[in-house]
Amino acid sequence: AQKITQTQPGMFVQEKEAVTLDCTYDTSDQSYGLFWYKQPSSGEMIFLIYQGSYDEQNATEGRYSLNFQKARKSANLVISASQLGDSAMYFCAMREGIDYGQNFVFGPGTRLSVLP
Amino acid sequence: EPEVTQTPSHQVTQMGQEVILRCVPISNHLYFYWYRQILGQKVEFLVSFYNNEISEKSEIFDDQFSVERPDGSNFTLKIRSTKLEDSAMYFCASSEAGQARGQETQYFGPGTRLLVL
Repeated sequence: AQKITQTQPGMFVQEKEAVTLDCTYDTSDQSYGLFWYKQPSSGEMIFLIYQGSYDEQNATEGRYSLNFQKARKSANLVISASQLGDSAMYFCAMREGIDYGQNFVFGPGTRLSVLP
Repeated sequence: EPEVTQTPSHQVTQMGQEVILRCVPISNHLYFYWYRQILGQKVEFLVSFYNNEISEKSEIFDDQFSVERPDGSNFTLKIRSTKLEDSAMYFCASSEAGQARGQETQYFGPGTRLLVL
């Protein structure tokens, strides 16, 4: 079974509009971390936002927010006021278990295209 | 802002040759990782390293792979005899690995694009 599912292989959004990228995860652990990374065409992996499983509030970082619904095991990324530079691949990732140095499992990614 | 660095950015090698990919993690980080991403596919975990030893490795990380921290700053991935299917982007990452909120975040280097001919 897939640990991280991203059901949208590709998404389009108009510049200045908000967009939601879906991520659902599968774990039986109580302690886990959820992460979003951006990968532009140049290839690097840029950390965007983190949500801990015990965090009561949804994480926010500037224009990025994470819609964390623990019961549904979803951790959707919301990008507000999209910019052309937001066009990239976006990966959802999870760290499971109590060991905070545990490896990450990545989803297949969503390619976001921002239209002018 | 501190960042993870990797060298070289690109490497082309012949099948069967040995390659060493180099990484300098963020200086106060304690956990180090290697991931790979075959073109157009998702990022896959290879190995994690803590306290001068491997703490976890995936099925991909077979006897052809090894990691080393030869000094206080570098962290290397060696592929002894490269195969065509080793062609991929290889990412190094590091994390603080503490238990305070966010310290587990892994910061990735820019990657080394390896092409095996």
